[in-house]
Amino acid sequence: GENVEQHPSTLSVQEGDSAVIKCTYSDSASNYFPWYKQELGKGPQLIIDIRSNVGEKKDQRIAVTLNKTAKHFSLHITETQPEDSAVYFCAAHSTGTASKLTFGTGTRLQVTL
Amino acid sequence: GAVVSQHPSRVICKSGTSVKIECRSLDFQATTMFWYRQFPKQSLMLMATSNEGSKATYEQGVEKDKFLINHASLTLSTLTVTSAHPEDSSFYICRAGTGGPSTEAFFGQGTRLTVV
Repeated sequence: GENVEQHPSTLSVQEGDSAVIKCTYSDSASNYFPWYKQELGKGPQLIIDIRSNVGEKKDQRIAVTLNKTAKHFSLHITETQPEDSAVYFCAAHSTGTASKLTFGTGTRLQVTL
Repeated sequence: GAVVSQHPSRVICKSGTSVKIECRSLDFQATTMFWYRQFPKQSLMLMATSNEGSKATYEQGVEKDKFLINHASLTLSTLTVTSAHPEDSSFYICRAGTGGPSTEAFFGQGTRLTVV
């Protein structure tokens, strides 16, 4: 089955700096890679996603890059703000398995003033 | 994005009792529902997948007789934790999808279950 690794587990940045979270996956058949933000006591919220036919996608301060050859994808947050503090999860979706997502282990991002 | 409503957000129950958690898709038809369990500071672990009108498919190690899943309509799925024990205390989250591969799906707000 799919295996997703995520690094770092914790990340502390100063407000205004950039944050980068990296994930690798094992199943070359995976074709959909969403990123979720989870605040304390809440369900994950989709913040951006990328499909395997695209190398990069950007939405305001958030961008995701995908390298299919190396089987890794990254989340980039620029101009970080305190409200960006949360746990971020990457995920990979394998085809032919009824929309099954495999999640990374999460990154706790702390944006300090 | 689409709205998935999960209730209750928090529940405390006594050992031995059963608890039902509801997950509703408010503005779309959820042909597939996923139920996850999340322990503190850990990732989401898939418990089971259900398609409307069919029996749920449980992940290895998940007791189907303990975690009863019903997906009788395209907008509602329920998870019932039967004969709950303190070790069942966790954060349970549903995710509703329209089905098919590579399709984004939407999470509910989660339910914090505490068994005392």
